[in-house]
Amino acid sequence: EVQLVQSGAEVKKPGESLKISCKGSGYSFTNYWIGWVRQRPGKGLEWMGIVYPGDSDAKYSPSFQGQVTISGDRSISAAYLQWSSLKASDTAMYYCARQRGNGLGLDYWGRGTLVTVSS
Amino acid sequence: DIVITQSPLSLPVTPGEPASISCRSSQSLLHNNGFNYLDWYLQKPGQSPQLLIYLGSSRASGVSGRFRGSGSGTDFTLEINRVEAEDVGVYYCVQTLQTLSFTFGPGTKVHI
Repeated sequence: EVQLVQSGAEVKKPGESLKISCKGSGYSFTNYWIGWVRQRPGKGLEWMGIVYPGDSDAKYSPSFQGQVTISGDRSISAAYLQWSSLKASDTAMYYCARQRGNGLGLDYWGRGTLVTVSS
Repeated sequence: DIVITQSPLSLPVTPGEPASISCRSSQSLLHNNGFNYLDWYLQKPGQSPQLLIYLGSSRASGVSGRFRGSGSGTDFTLEINRVEAEDVGVYYCVQTLQTLSFTFGPGTKVHI
């Protein structure tokens, strides 16, 4: 069974750093791109970027370029989303999702990691 | 950048009746290979999004035949035949033509 298991909820202060994870199982993790999606409270879905765990090649949405770092670790079947200095506006649910193939959709999603940034 | 719009943004539905959501792209999503790079997702309350339709009209695995995607180029439609109570949630269309850089529409909230 394909699963994407995300790390637990985080509560941070502005200016702090954070790295959340998404661990895949039940399939060949290194052969599929993993995307990250933000959902602010009560708002819609926003595309952040995507990483190929096989070689850690990452692509970013222009809106998130320079704001976050997306990476992968093929040895432990994990993808990561990290911030060097959090802002209150980063408060959101963050989802990871597997891209089945070019144009074939995001077919498996994690349950999300809630990040709360508050002083 | 490709801009995606949806209408309506809120859609009251009646169980057993059909429903339809429109999605429009600022650029054609028709690839040279003949496929339209447009997905539909449903996010049920309190849940992660789930894939319904990819490449404009292909149903994802396990998705009910009541869901049908259609359209080409810049105009697309998601139709639900005989809405059920479990279909409530927010529906998003997403362009995937720009390789590895997707754009989500604003979402359409379907409610009873």
